[in-house]
Amino acid sequence: AQKITQTQPGMFVQEKEAVTLDCTYDTSDQSYGLFWYKQPSSGEMIFLIYQGSYDEQNATEGRYSLNFQKARKSANLVISASQLGDSAMYFCAMREGQWASKIIFGSGTRLSIRP
Amino acid sequence: NAGVTQTPKFQVLKTGQSMTLQCAQDMNHEYMSWYRQDPGMGLRLIHYSVGAGITDQGEVPNGYNVSRSTTEDFPLRLLSAAPSQTSVYFCASSGSGGGFNEQFFGPGTRLTVL
Repeated sequence: AQKITQTQPGMFVQEKEAVTLDCTYDTSDQSYGLFWYKQPSSGEMIFLIYQGSYDEQNATEGRYSLNFQKARKSANLVISASQLGDSAMYFCAMREGQWASKIIFGSGTRLSIRP
Repeated sequence: NAGVTQTPKFQVLKTGQSMTLQCAQDMNHEYMSWYRQDPGMGLRLIHYSVGAGITDQGEVPNGYNVSRSTTEDFPLRLLSAAPSQTSVYFCASSGSGGGFNEQFFGPGTRLTVL
């Protein structure tokens, strides 16, 4: 069965520093996709970045990059030059196989940016 | 384009009552899902659908029913509400096909069961 693990319940980072949020996953499928979502205090879910299991390059979207290490089954989110607006909950998620509708989420990491 | 809409935004039920949470999307997406989010926790998949007439169970299906008679709508029914079902419920949809498909979320329904 697929599983997502986020081991950092909370993190504090100084503004403008880079931050890495950890995510490990477990699946027996060769085809899967990994997602990161941001949930600010307002509650909405905001898509950040996606990595497919067959993608050879690490995904990047602006200040977000996904450090994909397939052999270690890790998919860490890196935020460069953190901003106060980055304070939020961050969730790692995985889609196993071709059925995009079945996506499993980790328990999340609460990121707080200090000015 | 309204995206994914959910009604109601807030609901209070008494133990044993039943109700339906509504979810609709106007993006012609094949895939739709229901999640619940308990305080301080991640999202847990309740039920999902890969097209009209096709549904399947997720991680925590007990106490909930779904049906998908149209592409647009995916209602979630609570059969007999229990305090353990107090949560925020999110509906989501995404396009079909392999590869990347961004999942769009509704604004959520905050449900309290007394």
